[in-house]
Amino acid sequence: QKEVEQNSGPLSVPEGAIASLNCTYSDRGSQSFFWYRQYSGKSPELIMFIYSNGDKEDGRFTAQLNKASQYVSLLIRDSQPSDSATYLCAVWNTGKLIFGQGTTLQVKP
Amino acid sequence: GAVVSQHPSRVICKSGTSVKIECRSLDFQATTMFWYRQFPKKSLMLMATSNEGSKATYEQGVEKDKFLINHASLTLSTLTVTSAHPEDSSFYICSADGTSGSAQYFGPGTRLTVL
Repeated sequence: QKEVEQNSGPLSVPEGAIASLNCTYSDRGSQSFFWYRQYSGKSPELIMFIYSNGDKEDGRFTAQLNKASQYVSLLIRDSQPSDSATYLCAVWNTGKLIFGQGTTLQVKP
Repeated sequence: GAVVSQHPSRVICKSGTSVKIECRSLDFQATTMFWYRQFPKKSLMLMATSNEGSKATYEQGVEKDKFLINHASLTLSTLTVTSAHPEDSSFYICSADGTSGSAQYFGPGTRLTVL
């Protein structure tokens, strides 16, 4: 069983729509959760992190955490073509980040 | 946030040579840095945890004698790929703790091509 799981996609949404990216993790003791965006050929860029159950909003991005369900998601409102990238979910566990395989998002004009 | 730099950004070398990659934290001190490798269309694979002033901790399956890590100061960690071979060709990325708890900030990466 993979420690952090994401649907590889691609997830395709029209411009202006809400993109919903999901991630599940296996270790119930995990404390910190991160979303990174990675453009092709570039290194990951931190979008958001969340530690507590509930929602955390930053501009067009909202991270949602449900520790009971071991589930973390990222919502992108008003999606733009420039949001097209691979989104990596990561969980901090035993002193290191565990990454999911990433979800490719395509925002079509 | 935090700024992490890497040098070089791209390197092409002949098989059998050694390549050194530098990772620097520019505006903060990092007692711990991490080295990752990423193959095309794959996720990041943690290679090792680099600890300032002590030996690196390598992930299972990573050859410590092939991937030498030195973390001599609080702002610099180096990864040396010794006797590189074509199968070592990859995108190598370092990261360091920033100012937001355990959030990791990544360097821009180094693309290594071994001919």
